[in-house]
Amino acid sequence: SQQGEEDPQALSIQEGENATMNCSYKTSINNLQWYRQNSGRGLVHLILIRSNEREKHSGRLRVTLDTSKKSSSLLITASRAADTASYFCANPGGGGSEKLVFGKGTKLTVNP
Amino acid sequence: EAGVTQSPTHLIKTRGQQATLRCSPISGHTSVYWYQQALGLGLQFLLWYDEGEERNRGNFPPRFSGRQFPNYSSELNVNALELEDSALYLCASSLGVSPYYGYTFGSGTRLTVV
Repeated sequence: SQQGEEDPQALSIQEGENATMNCSYKTSINNLQWYRQNSGRGLVHLILIRSNEREKHSGRLRVTLDTSKKSSSLLITASRAADTASYFCANPGGGGSEKLVFGKGTKLTVNP
Repeated sequence: EAGVTQSPTHLIKTRGQQATLRCSPISGHTSVYWYQQALGLGLQFLLWYDEGEERNRGNFPPRFSGRQFPNYSSELNVNALELEDSALYLCASSLGVSPYYGYTFGSGTRLTVV
């Protein structure tokens, strides 16, 4: 399966703390993307990191990519209750297929 | 700029019936992707359309089909509905075919089969 896997499956933290989610994938990639989904809604694109990049920042988000370990991490700093959502990593399916393959997600709960 | 719009928001059908779900991509986006998100199963790729053609298909039976219209909007049809087809169906569009573009998702259609 090309599907990535997020770890942990669920994470509960207090407001103000940092949240770290990890993603492992199986195939070689040219980029990896992170998405957020509020309960039962559509996904929102957060950040895309290319295979030749090791780290990328966007506001309170920091994404790292280690292609040798086929893994990525998403760090949310100074979390807020509004960050409560599910977070998915996704990578292009490879083999000439441009579809994105999603993991099962990490459900983050930020308690006020 | 309007986002990706999906209709209807909710759909309740009886087993054996047909369901039609619709998606309008962001203006200028030519690629439309359909995903199924069943409870606890993550997002499963269904179909990808670009420039009116089906470009790729996931591991779903033929009763899942669709099309893309000249204005790039898309329709997903599910025939002979089964209970396990109950899920959130998400449509996404992207600016181009390259996987370097992120997806913009609609809010989904919640299909319930009873």
